[in-house]
Amino acid sequence: GENVEQHPSTLSVQEGDSAVIKCTYSDSASNYFPWYKQELGKRPQLIIDIRSNVGEKKDQRIAVTLNKTAKHFSLHITETQPEDSAVYFCAASIGGGATNKLIFGTGTLLAVQP
Amino acid sequence: EPEVTQTPSHQVTQMGQEVILRCVPISNHLYFYWYRQILGQKVEFLVSFYNNEISEKSEIFDDQFSVERPDGSNFTLKIRSTKLEDSAMYFCASSLLGGGNTGELFFGEGSRLTVL
Repeated sequence: GENVEQHPSTLSVQEGDSAVIKCTYSDSASNYFPWYKQELGKRPQLIIDIRSNVGEKKDQRIAVTLNKTAKHFSLHITETQPEDSAVYFCAASIGGGATNKLIFGTGTLLAVQP
Repeated sequence: EPEVTQTPSHQVTQMGQEVILRCVPISNHLYFYWYRQILGQKVEFLVSFYNNEISEKSEIFDDQFSVERPDGSNFTLKIRSTKLEDSAMYFCASSLLGGGNTGELFFGEGSRLTVL
């Protein structure tokens, strides 16, 4: 069935280093790929998204890349800061139907060490 | 900035009891969703709702679950007879767009359900 895999499950980096989180999706009809940041006990918040007609998108220190052929997409955070520490979820919107149901990855706990 | 609001923030109930979780989506949004997140796990899709009917539901959303939009602003999730495994954070979300025009989902702060 529909599935999104995410790696790594945990990631520890030093402040100022880069962090990369990778996801793969199973349904080639997926056309929307958001990334959410979730702090402990809080709601998921959208940090960046990309659509299937774009290969890369950047917003300040955050960038996302998409490889439709390989069904991979990745989140890149540069110059990490302690406040970037959180759980990051990738998601894919599976095509079809009247709604954009999101299928989430299993999450990556990012710890930025000062 | 408009946001999705949910009540209650935390509910404790006995197994077998009925629970209703309430949500007020962003006012001009057309698509509504419930997701759940068991502690320490990923966010899982439960159900989507558009034009006053369910658009899609997951395997989790069995006969014990129902959703309703009783008026122009509220969107509710009812669990008829709660089980221990229903303990989770339940997130309501809404979006302006859907289908082929995928748009951002805005999540509420969540309702934590604890079933004893």
